[in-house]
Amino acid sequence: AQKITQTQPGMFVQEKEAVTLDCTYDTSDQSYGLFWYKQPSSGEMIFLIYQGSYDEQNATEGRYSLNFQKARKSANLVISASQLGDSAMYFCAMREERGSGSARQLTFGSGTQLTVLP
Amino acid sequence: DGGITQSPKYLFRKEGQNVTLSCEQNLNHDAMYWYRQDPGQGLRLIYYSQIVNDFQKGDIAEGYSVSREKKESFPLTVTSAQKNPTAFYLCASSKWTSGRENIQYFGAGTRLSVL
Repeated sequence: AQKITQTQPGMFVQEKEAVTLDCTYDTSDQSYGLFWYKQPSSGEMIFLIYQGSYDEQNATEGRYSLNFQKARKSANLVISASQLGDSAMYFCAMREERGSGSARQLTFGSGTQLTVLP
Repeated sequence: DGGITQSPKYLFRKEGQNVTLSCEQNLNHDAMYWYRQDPGQGLRLIYYSQIVNDFQKGDIAEGYSVSREKKESFPLTVTSAQKNPTAFYLCASSKWTSGRENIQYFGAGTRLSVL
């Protein structure tokens, strides 16, 4: 069974600084995808970034990058030049890519609450 | 604008009552999902549907029911059998494929409380 662990319940960062949010995962599959979502206080889940297990390069999307270390089974999110609007809950999620049906489900971690300080 | 619309934003349920949460998408996605989120926790899958007239139980389906009569719509009914329904409910949709083509996009959620 797949499992996602986010060990930082809360993080603080100064505006304009970079911050890393940790995520480790557990799976026996070779083919899987890793996702990060942002959930502001309004509640909507916003997709940020995707990393495939066979991708050779770390994923980047604007100020977001994913530090993917396959051997360590970690997929940390790096936010550069933090902004006040980055204050939100951040969730790491994983999907095993084998077959179909239940294999397409996302499994979420418990989240990290990021607060950006002015 | 393409997106996912959930209604109502807030819902109150009386004891013994069934309530239905609406989810509509105009992204032409095949797959739709319902998640439950409790305070301070991640999302747990209730039901998902790959195609019209077909749906599968997720990890916490007991006390819930769904239907998928149209591609655009995937309503969730919280039945009286669900003894602890107070939570935030999120609907999502995606293409039914693998890799980076399959990204789940979410609605704004419905907050359900018990009176």
